[in-house]
Amino acid sequence: DGGITQSPKYLFRKEGQNVTLSCEQNLNHDAMYWYRQDPGQGLRLIYYSQIVNDFQKGDIAEGYSVSREKKESFPLTVTSAQKNPTAFYLCASSKPGRLYGYTFGSGTRLTVV
Amino acid sequence: AQTVTQSQPEMSVQEAETVTLSCTYDTSESDYYLFWYKQPPSRQMILVIRQEAYKQQNATENRFSVNFQKAAKSFSLKISDSQLGDAAMYFCAYRTMNSGNTPLVFGKGTRLSVIA
Repeated sequence: DGGITQSPKYLFRKEGQNVTLSCEQNLNHDAMYWYRQDPGQGLRLIYYSQIVNDFQKGDIAEGYSVSREKKESFPLTVTSAQKNPTAFYLCASSKPGRLYGYTFGSGTRLTVV
Repeated sequence: AQTVTQSQPEMSVQEAETVTLSCTYDTSESDYYLFWYKQPPSRQMILVIRQEAYKQQNATENRFSVNFQKAAKSFSLKISDSQLGDAAMYFCAYRTMNSGNTPLVFGKGTRLSVIA
């Protein structure tokens, strides 16, 4: 079955370390997105990519980086410059046609200690 | 930029009763899409219902329906015959129709509790 996979489900890192969250989809979707979810804050856009080798900053891109070398993959790196990295991270993809909204991954809970 | 406001951080409903979750949005566009997503305790986001702004008829999906008031920029979600499995966070989202796979803009969510 087609879908979008985020791994790992839970991730623990020490403060000051960079960490990369994986997001892979086999839906042949062109666009992919990263959101951060904090209690009471809803979903806030970090980065998105509408096509391979291209991506745009979202509302809270500082301290994060991404790459889009393959259509299927859109990894997110949380750098040591991100002041409050502990959060739930959601990846999504979108097929052509804006009516369809997103397909979401199951998320990664990142805890930095 | 578009914004989405969900004014009810928390709501509760008795099992089998009806509840309405509010959502308002701010936009200068005339054509766009609106969505309601559900996030149960598993945290998997699930699309509940969607509405095209150029359609006057309110969308319905089984026990879920919307009240779309374009002039008022309001998009409320009505859940009828509430079930324990409806307990979740509900997010309202907006998407422009203008170009490309533009990102959805989400509200902050409403946490719905269902009381047995």
